Parts: sequence; C-alpha cells; structure tokens
Amino acid sequence: KAGVTQTPRYLIKTRGQQVTLSCSPISGHRSVSWYQQTPGQGLQFLFEYFSETQRNKGNFPGRFSGRQFSNSRSEMNVSTLELGDSALYLCASSLALGSNQETQYFGPGTRLLVL
Amino acid sequence: TQLLEQSPQFLSIQEGENLTVYCNSSSVFSSLQWYRQEPGEGPVLLVTVVTGGEVKKLKRLTFQFGDARKDSSLHITAAQPGDTGLYLCAGAPGANNLFFGTGTRLTVIP
Repeated sequence: KAGVTQTPRYLIKTRGQQVTLSCSPISGHRSVSWYQQTPGQGLQFLFEYFSETQRNKGNFPGRFSGRQFSNSRSEMNVSTLELGDSALYLCASSLALGSNQETQYFGPGTRLLVL
Repeated sequence: TQLLEQSPQFLSIQEGENLTVYCNSSSVFSSLQWYRQEPGEGPVLLVTVVTGGEVKKLKRLTFQFGDARKDSSLHITAAQPGDTGLYLCAGAPGANNLFFGTGTRLTVIP
C-alpha cells in the first residue's frame, strides 16, 4: 500500500506570493492533518480535515487555509507569503476511527523557502 | 497552550551506551505518542501510551507514561548508529490533533 505522498517536495517563493501544497493520503484513510515544522517552533498543528470539512484548527492566521476533496486528497494554501512561513509542511493521514490511540502516518513533507 | 518540553535538546553518545529522553508537560493528555524523524522524512510513530504508569517495550526502547499522564520517558539500551534521529513526543488532546514536544536530536557515534 502506498504511503502518504506530498507534492511538490521543494518550493521557492517570494514574499507576497501564494502557494498551494498537495497531499494524497493512504488509500482508505479519511482524515488528513497538516503540520508546520520549523527549527524555532518545532512541529505545530495547522488543521485537520475529515469528510471534506475542517474538524480541528490550530493557532495560525487566516492566511493559512485548506480543503479536502471527496477522494480524501487535501490541499493547503498560504496567501501573502512571509519570510517566517519558510518551513517543512507535513501532511498526515489516518483512518479516523475516533480513538485517541489512532496512528497518523506522515508524508515526507514539502520544504517551502520564502525569499 | 499545551506545551511539551523535551530534554535534553541534543544528545551525542557512543555506540553501546544507554540514554533517557524526557517529555514533560503541565497538562494532562489522554494519550502520548513517541515518534522518530530522520532527515528528509516525516515522523514515524514508535509507540502510543494511554494508561498512567504504563510501560511499553519495543526491542531496546522502553517507554513510560507518568502516573498523572503529564510526562513520559524514552530509554534506549545499548544505542546503535541506526537510532540516530530526532525523537519527538506528542500529546493527543484529540484523535488527530497532536501537540508535539520540542524534540531531542540524538546522534550515536560508531
């Protein structure tokens, strides 16, 4: 079974631009979560989507948004990019059975550099 | 904000040595997970602990969840170069909403 895939793997943008990142979950997984990883702040939760609806949201500004399609694939968008948005963006999928022991499977991430 | 502090932040040891990594919080979590992340990859789940006082073993790795479910430790026996990586603890207030710790970067020198 294929793992979580993220595209693109690397991206360079300039301040003020917007970017869209894509995540394809493991087949059969219904929940997709997004995280931002930086050296200074570590791994921080952005949001989670289930059945095309945002179910949980972290403490990030409205410039960060996402969506999920009927096939569970997800995209996240960052508008008006700032230098501080440079980070590794990780996507994770799970079966969404509702258990607190549920396993999230992470993709390799998209490394975004904002110049 | 639920904070998970890990210590030490960096650890460099010789192959064959033992080590312990700590994960502490002032918040109670319904479960706590440990991940290992290698360069260029996403985190990979090692274990989930749920019950206060629970101890789980995974080969040379021993994980313990504190009685009050606020802290956890990871002990590695006879470390090997393949153990090198970033170790992250994560508390789960919700099923798919994880608060990650600050991370411990381990280097095992052959």
